[in-house]
Amino acid sequence: EPEVTQTPSHQVTQMGQEVILRCVPISNHLYFYWYRQILGQKVEFLVSFYNNEISEKSEIFDDQFSVERPDGSNFTLKIRSTKLEDSAMYFCAAPGLNVIVAKNIQYFGAGTRLSVL
Amino acid sequence: QKEVEQNSGPLSVPEGAIASLNCTYSDRGSQSFFWYRQYSGKSPELIMSIYSNGDKEDGRFTAQLNKASQYVSLLIRDSQPSDSATYLCASDGGATNKLIFGTGTLLAVQP
Repeated sequence: EPEVTQTPSHQVTQMGQEVILRCVPISNHLYFYWYRQILGQKVEFLVSFYNNEISEKSEIFDDQFSVERPDGSNFTLKIRSTKLEDSAMYFCAAPGLNVIVAKNIQYFGAGTRLSVL
Repeated sequence: QKEVEQNSGPLSVPEGAIASLNCTYSDRGSQSFFWYRQYSGKSPELIMSIYSNGDKEDGRFTAQLNKASQYVSLLIRDSQPSDSATYLCASDGGATNKLIFGTGTLLAVQP
C-alpha cells in the first residue's frame, strides 16, 4: 500500500494555465518528496519537504514551481503558467511508517499524469 | 553530476530462469540503494533496499552491493511473466534524502 494518495489521477490543462497537484498522506509524515517522469525518461527529483519547509530542490524546481502544506495534511505542488514540456507523470513520495528516515526508503503514490496542450 | 547508470534493455529471459539486472553509480558518498519495479503507466514500487556490501535476499529477489566497484545488482529467481516490467535502480544523493534514478532496465519474461 502506498503511503500517499494523489489527486487527480489525470490533469489536462492549456499552456499558460496554473495547475495544483495534491498528495494526501496516509499518516502524519513529516517528509514528502515530489518527482516527475517525462514519458520514456527517468524519474527525476523535484523537491523535498520537511516539517513544512523545503529542505532541498533540484534545478528543475524553478520559480514556476511551489509546494505547500495548506491545511496541515494535504501537500500540494503548484505549477504556474504551465509549458508543453511540463507534461509528465508527477509522483509524490513519503517514507513508510516505522521507517528510519535516514534509511531514505520512499514509497511512491500512484501519480498524476499532467497533459499540457 | 551524480549519476546512476543502467542498461535500458530489453532483457529477455525464459520463464523460470534467473534474471540479472545491473546498475552502477558515480557518487562514492551514496549510502542507500534501492530497486523499484515499474509497470507501464504505473508508479515505481519498492522491491529491495540495500545499504551494506554483500547480498540481501527477500523471497525470489536478491540485491547485491559492491561499494568498491560502485555496483548494484538485482537477481530475480524463477522469473515469472508477471515480473515483466521496468526495473529502476536508485541511490541516495550522498548527504541528501533525494533519490537519484537510473533510466531503468526493461525485463521481458517469456512464457
